[in-house]
Amino acid sequence: NAGVMQNPRHLVRRRGQEARLRCSPMKGHSHVYWYRQLPEEGLKFMVYLQKENIIDESGMPKERFSAEFPKEGPSILRIQQVVRGDSAAYFCASSPTVSGNTIYFGEGSWLTVV
Amino acid sequence: AQSVTQLGSHVSVSEGALVLLRCNYSSSVPPYLFWYVQYPNQGLQLLLKYTSAATLVKGINGFEAEFKKSETSFHLTKPSAHMSDAAEYFCAVSSQIQGAQKLVFGQGTRLTINP
Repeated sequence: NAGVMQNPRHLVRRRGQEARLRCSPMKGHSHVYWYRQLPEEGLKFMVYLQKENIIDESGMPKERFSAEFPKEGPSILRIQQVVRGDSAAYFCASSPTVSGNTIYFGEGSWLTVV
Repeated sequence: AQSVTQLGSHVSVSEGALVLLRCNYSSSVPPYLFWYVQYPNQGLQLLLKYTSAATLVKGINGFEAEFKKSETSFHLTKPSAHMSDAAEYFCAVSSQIQGAQKLVFGQGTRLTINP
């Protein structure tokens, strides 16, 4: 059973460009979470999605950030018009439908804005 | 609201010595508590979790943690440190939303092992 798959692992974008980060949850998992880790900090919750629904986006910046988890395909975290402060590691996690007391993390996508 | 405080952003121990990483939590409901380890440029790996069963929880790689409600603590220990234990360790508490878990992380503790 493959783990949570994220790509790309590393992404470099110039200021003003768009960044798209993809996450395929573990097989059988329908809950997806995105977390952001700024340099020298812990992880901060951004958004929680189920298939085709955003359940909790209380940690998402109000502008430029969006997330989706379509019926088919991976979850996507999209950052428009990136700025230097968006440079961080973005982690996706997933959990099973019924027994959700453990979430499993992917290896992260490191975004660098130059 | 839930929160986690990890005491000590850096801890350094000698190889073979006891490892003690401190975590205190705040939660208005019975919490689920977790310890994760992160190696450089990698994702988080679950070490152990407390889910209201036994208060002493054993995890992978020889780590264990004890839930103490009276002290609102969930400290992580390992009797004898190994060089491979050098990593960043995160304590986390969860709140349940619609049947799934949303984690609140501490700031992390970087563990260094001296030969």
